Amino acid sequence: AQKITQTQPGMFVQEKEAVTLDCTYDTSDPSYGLFWYKQPSSGEMIFLIYQGSYDQQNATEGRYSLNFQKARKSANLVISASQLGDSAMYFCAMRTRMDSSYKLIFGSGTRLLVRP
Amino acid sequence: DAMVIQNPRYQVTQFGKPVTLSCSQTLNHNVMYWYQQKSSQAPKLLFHYYDKDFNNEADTPDNFQSRRPNTSFCFLDIRSPGLGDAAMYLCATRLQGDRETQYFGPGTRLLVL
Repeated sequence: AQKITQTQPGMFVQEKEAVTLDCTYDTSDPSYGLFWYKQPSSGEMIFLIYQGSYDQQNATEGRYSLNFQKARKSANLVISASQLGDSAMYFCAMRTRMDSSYKLIFGSGTRLLVRP
Repeated sequence: DAMVIQNPRYQVTQFGKPVTLSCSQTLNHNVMYWYQQKSSQAPKLLFHYYDKDFNNEADTPDNFQSRRPNTSFCFLDIRSPGLGDAAMYLCATRLQGDRETQYFGPGTRLLVL
C-alpha cells in the first residue's frame, strides 16, 4: 500500500529559527517522487521542493531543504530562518510510477505557526 | 504572471442549482487535475485529463462532471450541489516528464446554501 504519514498536526516555531516538519512514506515502487507543498490561508497550494527516489543528494530550494532518509522512508522538510509568512499548512505528497496517471498521494498536513 | 487561473475565487450556489467552476493555464501543460479539499483535510483527486483522455476516480460521485475543450481550459460541473459539496476546489496542471510536479491554481471556494 502507498501511504504518506505526517504525525505533527501542528507546530510552533520562533521567528528566525529553523523548524523540521516530519514526513514518512510507504511504497513498494523503487521509483517515486516526494513533494512538499505550502498552503496559506488563501488556499493556493504552492510547490516548494521535490526529491526523486534516485537522487543522491538532498534537495534544497532557498530556505527549504529536504532531509531524505531513504532507508527510513522519511522525507522531512527543513525550513531555515523562519519568517512570519511561513505560517501555513504544509503537505507532504508522493508520486509513484506504479500509477501511470501519476497521481499524488497527500499526507494529512502539518499546520505551522511562526511566532514573532 | 498567474500560470494556473481559477474563476471564480468564491462561488455561492443554492442546494441543487448547477454550478460550473473554470480553470485555465498558460503553461501549455498536457495534464490537468481537479481536486476537492474540505476543511482541514488533504486534497482529494476527483479526476484528471491526460491530453484529451478523461480519467475518473472510482469514488468520484456522478454529480461531478468535467470538460476540457482545449489544452488551456478545464471545467468542473456540479450538476446538483449538495451541502456536502461545499469545499475548496483546486485545479492543477502537470507537464509530462517534468519531474511530474503538479502546479496548482488559487482554488475556488464553493459555498452551498
